[in-house]
Amino acid sequence: NAGVTQTPKFQVLKTGQSMTLQCAQDMNHNSMYWYRQDPGMGLRLIYYSASEGTTDKGEVPNGYNVSRLNKREFSLRLESAAPSQTSVYFCASSEGLADRAGNTEAFFGQGTRLTVV
Amino acid sequence: AQKITQTQPGMFVQEKEAVTLDCTYDTSDQSYGLFWYKQPSSGEMIFLIYQGSYDEQNATEGRYSLNFQKARKSANLVISASQLGDSAMYFCAMRAPFSGGYNKLIFGAGTRLAVHP
Repeated sequence: NAGVTQTPKFQVLKTGQSMTLQCAQDMNHNSMYWYRQDPGMGLRLIYYSASEGTTDKGEVPNGYNVSRLNKREFSLRLESAAPSQTSVYFCASSEGLADRAGNTEAFFGQGTRLTVV
Repeated sequence: AQKITQTQPGMFVQEKEAVTLDCTYDTSDQSYGLFWYKQPSSGEMIFLIYQGSYDEQNATEGRYSLNFQKARKSANLVISASQLGDSAMYFCAMRAPFSGGYNKLIFGAGTRLAVHP
């Protein structure tokens, strides 16, 4: 099983350029997430998709857009990259079912290291 | 609002000794889950252990155990018999509800553990 696959692994952008980070999962999970990781701040949720066809803002959505293309794929787009968006981006997926009391651990991709110059 | 606090930016431990990584959480929900993830220098996020809010016993997974004190809202990770390969960043996370009744994970800032020979 591939689990969660993110592309690309590394990217350097110039300020103002746009790009899309791709994410796909093969675990038939309902929920998918995009996080960014910055030193000393842990992982902060950018956007999430509770289920196919729905997306919603997380903690730090400004400057980003997302698309839940189908149940497998959830992309993150930077329309006009800024140096403040230099970060490591993680895509994750989980069962995320409503009122699920059990273990809903999230499975993570390998991350994308993005530098905006 | 839900929040995870990890007060130890860095810890070190001698090989073969035990170490406790602190995590406190804040939530008004009765049903929640607590997770620990390990992030080695290679960058991937590795799920370690899970504790449900209704679980009466502390969770254990091999050398990892979770010291769950519900009244104090703490969920400390205990690593017994530390190994050099345990050197990594460790994140505490909590399952929190979002709109529509689905769940997301929120993370603390992390603790960097160094195991010395």
